[in-house]
Amino acid sequence: GAVVSQHPSWVICKSGTSVKIECRSLDFQATTMFWYRQFPKQSLMLMATSNEGSKATYEQGVEKDKFLINHASLTLSTLTVTSAHPEDSSFYICSARDWGGTDFRAKNIQYFGAGTRLSVL
Amino acid sequence: AQSVAQPEDQVNVAEGNPLTVKCTYSVSGNPYLFWYVQYPNRGLQFLLKYITGDNLVKGSYGFEAEFNKSQTSFHLKKPSALVSDSALYFCACTGANNLFFGTGTRLTVIP
Repeated sequence: GAVVSQHPSWVICKSGTSVKIECRSLDFQATTMFWYRQFPKQSLMLMATSNEGSKATYEQGVEKDKFLINHASLTLSTLTVTSAHPEDSSFYICSARDWGGTDFRAKNIQYFGAGTRLSVL
Repeated sequence: AQSVAQPEDQVNVAEGNPLTVKCTYSVSGNPYLFWYVQYPNRGLQFLLKYITGDNLVKGSYGFEAEFNKSQTSFHLKKPSALVSDSALYFCACTGANNLFFGTGTRLTVIP
């Protein structure tokens, strides 16, 4: 199946610093990528949807100035947590949707990265 | 609004026994339904999906799911559980552009 690479897998940073998380689709083109946040023992919360070459669409309650998303190419999206604080500590997961081309079976499937655990001290 | 519900937070099953993880959906129009599995500290892995066609969908690792329109359900099943199946399972449906996830069901397979 399709592979989404997310890096880093774990990051520890000091309060006030910024952290960048990369998400790459390795063997398919992803016109749309998604960023999720997952709290312990909870489901995934969609933070934003990014489309290649355009501004990300943020979900209600997500600060776009704090969580900067860039989707500069069909295979790369980045999430930058700016001026991180301890309450930003969480598990962040990206996913990419395979546009599927002419393969109907591949369409609409989201493939997920392994996640990034952010700990802000 | 599109949504899925997973009524069980936790499911325990003995190794070798059949397992079922339940999911019901509330979707306007034709439902696109998915199952994903998450292992500790990992992202989600796609198991299977239903878009159209046969109500019984076969997926990865021997899992299958049955789409039941009258009961608005999409339960995940496996005939014989393995200890390695222990994980967190999410049911999901598509909205206009993204997936809506259930709250997850933690499956524990007891040796």
